[in-house]
Amino acid sequence: QKEVEQNSGPLSVPEGAIASLNCTYSDRGSQSFFWYRQYSGKSPELIMSIYSNGDKEDGRFTAQLNKASQYVSLLIRDSQPSDSATYLCAVNFGNEKLTFGTGTRLTIIP
Amino acid sequence: NAGVMQNPRHLVRRRGQEARLRCSPMKGHSHVYWYRQLPEEGLKFMVYLQKENIIDESGMPKERFSAEFPKEGPSILRIQQVVRGDSAAYFCASSPLGRAEAFFGQGTRLTVV
Repeated sequence: QKEVEQNSGPLSVPEGAIASLNCTYSDRGSQSFFWYRQYSGKSPELIMSIYSNGDKEDGRFTAQLNKASQYVSLLIRDSQPSDSATYLCAVNFGNEKLTFGTGTRLTIIP
Repeated sequence: NAGVMQNPRHLVRRRGQEARLRCSPMKGHSHVYWYRQLPEEGLKFMVYLQKENIIDESGMPKERFSAEFPKEGPSILRIQQVVRGDSAAYFCASSPLGRAEAFFGQGTRLTVV
């Protein structure tokens, strides 16, 4: 069974601080990893993709991948109230579909 | 370049009726995926289609649910004889050939009364 695990939260972070979201997955051979943001009542929005070990930065977002530990994380720097949402980790296990974690609810406290 | 288009956005059906949900992928995308999201739960994969082919339907309930992606026109997710437990948000996503990232439509919120 291929699984993606996330801490459901809620995770509360003060405005301006760094929010750290974590995700583990079950298959060491997985190749591609994604972070989606979902506001309440809205559809998931792709914010980051990462394919190789290390860090990938895009604006205030940094995705980190460690395939040996089967671990992928998302860091949000200078957190803003507009970052308050549920963040979904998704993994492509090589079967041409994305398997999602249950999501971490993030709240940025002004 | 329009995004993934789903309609209707909201659908109310009485128990026992049929629900038809439509999805037009992004231009140039050949893969369509349907996901279901129950309140306060994660996204659950239902089915993966390419034009005229069902590639993976491992997440589809064995009865009452079907999906198609014809050569012309949108992908259709069909739920026959709906029950209260079918109430959920149904999301369609599409991706281009050879790429793994999927882009989602706005979803259809199905309410069974």
